[in-house]
Amino acid sequence: DTGVSQDPRHKITKRGQNVTFRCDPISEHNRLYWYRQTLGQGPEFLTYFQNEAQLEKSRLLSDRFSAERPKGSFSTLEIQRTEQGDSAMYLCASSAGTGGVYTRSGNTIYFGEGSWLTVV
Amino acid sequence: DQQVKQNSPSLSVQEGRISILNCDYTNSMFDYFLWYKKYPAEGPTFLISISSIKDKNEDGRFTVFLNKSAKHLSLHIVPSQPGDSAVYFCAAENSNTGNQFYFGTGTSLTVIP
Repeated sequence: DTGVSQDPRHKITKRGQNVTFRCDPISEHNRLYWYRQTLGQGPEFLTYFQNEAQLEKSRLLSDRFSAERPKGSFSTLEIQRTEQGDSAMYLCASSAGTGGVYTRSGNTIYFGEGSWLTVV
Repeated sequence: DQQVKQNSPSLSVQEGRISILNCDYTNSMFDYFLWYKKYPAEGPTFLISISSIKDKNEDGRFTVFLNKSAKHLSLHIVPSQPGDSAVYFCAAENSNTGNQFYFGTGTSLTVIP
């Protein structure tokens, strides 16, 4: 399977604990995104990497959240001191980054299966 | 501020008929649009895309129409099948920045056998 993979798929943690999610993008994709989705909502953007550089962060990404992509391949999303409001599905996506005005196409992003977080 | 809107939370269609899912956006800088299908407890699966240089894109049973002046796009599924029952999300980006997609809140489609 050469799609986007995420681990773990499910995580239940106590409030105040730290959790870390891992994402392995499609191998030739240089762009990696983290999104969060709660019930009844569409995915909400958290952050975006171009290779190893984190180029944009949403204001949803509080200082308890940190994301890394150290070698431009896999990425981790860590949530420190979890709160019940952090309960959501965390989605990773990747794209080849070939879109733009010169190619006159967009950047189709492909999602992984998601990581469910429940904070109790 | 919700820049991409799907105003119909749910839609029910008889098997074999056409399903039409609608999406509106507010940002005129958006020039690339995608539709995703999502089953419960799974990540969204890419279905079909359209660039603003086109007004229609077709892939099998799925066709997406884009009306730039109205800032409106729609996904047509014909004929609808029970396996199409899922939540459908539209998403939009400004491809010149390519750094963020904005998603609607989804429409839950039920295809009745």
